[in-house]
This record gives sequence, structure tokens and C-alpha cells, in this order.
Amino acid sequence: GAGVSQSPSNKVTEKGKDVELRCDPISGHTALYWYRQSLGQGLEFLIYFQGNSAPDKSGLPSDRFSAERTGGSVSTLTIQRTQQEDSAVYLCASSLDWKTDTQYFGPGTRLTVL
Amino acid sequence: GNSVTQMEGPVTLSEEAFLTINCTYTATGYPSLFWYVQYPGEGLQLLLKATKADDKGSNKGFEATYRKETTSFHLEKGSVQVSDSAVYFCATDTGRRALTFGSGTRLQVQP
Repeated sequence: GAGVSQSPSNKVTEKGKDVELRCDPISGHTALYWYRQSLGQGLEFLIYFQGNSAPDKSGLPSDRFSAERTGGSVSTLTIQRTQQEDSAVYLCASSLDWKTDTQYFGPGTRLTVL
Repeated sequence: GNSVTQMEGPVTLSEEAFLTINCTYTATGYPSLFWYVQYPGEGLQLLLKATKADDKGSNKGFEATYRKETTSFHLEKGSVQVSDSAVYFCATDTGRRALTFGSGTRLQVQP
């Protein structure tokens, strides 16, 4: 079946603007994860969803970052008042459920904040 | 929390050379260990994994053995190909269902 999809693939925005990044997990996967890949910080965990709830938001770097998941499927990561240090590739992954350790990654959204 | 340390790259090898990329971890409990690969222009792909001590994960000629006594999960391949050129990430789960990644090792294989 189809893998994890993310949109847009690239996003260029101006400092101070809000952006929304979308993730569509593998069908039937109940667990969903967001990570960020940047040159200075490597791969960092941001947030994890099991169904529609987020039991672990510990990786969100500031209150400008938020995420939601509706219908147990699609998730949106929102960054408000973007800063240049938010420039990174944002990766989404999904797994069958919270007990399953194998995560499948999407192609990522490259965000550039000018 | 759990953490992973892997050797810095880039690692440059000739085709058919033997590859080792070192990875060590610190963790509480008994985490699962993973190697992910990122080919140029592509997303992260799971290469192999091991879920308990002494398990060996293998895929596409790559192997890694979960060594609890040395807290290591070194990636090896007997004969690399140009098509193996990529960035390799060692990772462990954190017990919070998130993955903690190493900094990545870039492998360049020359013909």
C-alpha cells in the first residue's frame, strides 16, 4: 500500500508568518510521530500521537509549535510566527500502534524561513 | 534519557571494501535498536533492527548485532557497492515511543 505522505514537499516563507505542514500516515497506523532534521541539531523528536491524542509533546521546541490529528489519520503541524531557526526538514512517521517499534517515514517537508 | 553516539563521517571506501560504522548507546531498560538509511534525495528508510540482546538484524547484506555488554550496535557489510552511498543513522527507542537518533554517518563508495 501507499507509504507515509507529506505536503508540501517544499515551503518557503517569510519570518513571522504561520505555516501548516501536513502528514498522511499509512492506512491503519494508529501511531504518528513528527521529527525535525536540521544541520545543527540532527534528527529531533517533536511530538507523538496515539489515535487523536498526544501523550508526548515533550519535543516541541516552543509554544509556537502545535500539532493536531483528527479522525485518527491526517496530522497537521503548525508553526506560528516562524523564525529563521525553524528552517529544517520536518519528517513524519507512522507505526501500526504504540506497541510497535518500527516507524515508517515520509519524504519530509523542507521549510525555509527567509 | 536514551542516547546514541555514532562515528563521524564521511566514510569513503572503494567498491567491494568492508564497511563498519560504529554505534554505541546509553539507555535504561532494554531498548530496541535500529539502523536507518537516507539515500540522496530520499526519505529515511528502515535498514534493519534488533529488539533484544544478541539479536542480529540483517538486510541487503548489512548486519548489526545488539551487544548489551558493550552497549553497541555496529553496522557492517562485507562488500560495499556504489549504490550503498547514503547517510546511515543509528537509533534507539526511548521507551516513550519516540526514536533517538545518532548524528548520522555519510558513506561515499567510489567505483
